[in-house]
Amino acid sequence: GQQVMQIPQYQHVQEGEDFTTYCNSSTTLSNIQWYKQRPGGHPVFLIQLVKSGEVKKQKRLTFQFGEAKKNSSLHITATQTTDVGTYFCAGPRYSGAGSYQLTFGKGTKLTVIP
Amino acid sequence: EPEVTQTPSHQVTQMGQEVILRCVPISNHLYFYWYRQILGQKVEFLVSFYNNEISEKSEIFDDQFSVERPDGSNFTLKIRSTKLEDSAMYFCASTETGTGGLYSNQPQHFGDGTRLSIL
Repeated sequence: GQQVMQIPQYQHVQEGEDFTTYCNSSTTLSNIQWYKQRPGGHPVFLIQLVKSGEVKKQKRLTFQFGEAKKNSSLHITATQTTDVGTYFCAGPRYSGAGSYQLTFGKGTKLTVIP
Repeated sequence: EPEVTQTPSHQVTQMGQEVILRCVPISNHLYFYWYRQILGQKVEFLVSFYNNEISEKSEIFDDQFSVERPDGSNFTLKIRSTKLEDSAMYFCASTETGTGGLYSNQPQHFGDGTRLSIL
C-alpha cells in the first residue's frame, strides 16, 4: 500500500536558523498536503501542492512538490519559537463516493532553542 | 471560524469496557473521518463516512469498531471491549465536499481530539 516517509524525525535548531523537512511517497501523488501539529494539539492544514514542480510560499515557509510528484519539502527560514511543533506531510488515497483518506508521514518534530 | 468539536477531551476506561467518542463536524460538511495517533507516532486513518455509510476503512478498523451518525449533527466512534493498545488520541475530521477537482482536495479539518486511556 501507499507509504509516506519523512525525515528527519527530530530537528533541534537555534532560533534564527533554517529548518527543512523532506517527504517521500512510495507512489505518485495527485497532491500533497502539509499539516502542523503543536504540542498537545491537533493537525492543522497548512497547504496543498498539486502541480509537478510547484513551489508555494507562506511568509517564512516554502513548500516544494517534486517533478515526479513523489516527494516534497518544507523549508522554514529564520525559525522562531512559534514554529515549534510537528510537521506532517500527507498524501491522499481515494475511496468510494468521493471521499479520500490521508496517509501521513511520521512527521518531523521541530524544537527551536531560544 | 467553524470548528470540529470532540467530546470528551479525555476518557479513561477499564480494559474490556465500551467507549463512545463523539464528534460534531462542521455544519455544512458532508464527509467525515476518524484518525488515531498513538503517543509520539504518526496519525493513522481509521474510517471515512459519507451519506450514512462507511466509504473506506483501514485494517485497524476491525469488528471492535463502529461508527454512526445518530442525528444531523453528531458523528460517533464506538469501541467495544477496549484493549490496552487502543490507548491513543482519536481525531475526528470533516470536509465540505469530497475529492473536489481532479487533483486537488478539500483540506480536512481536525477536531482537538479525545485522549483515550485504557487501564
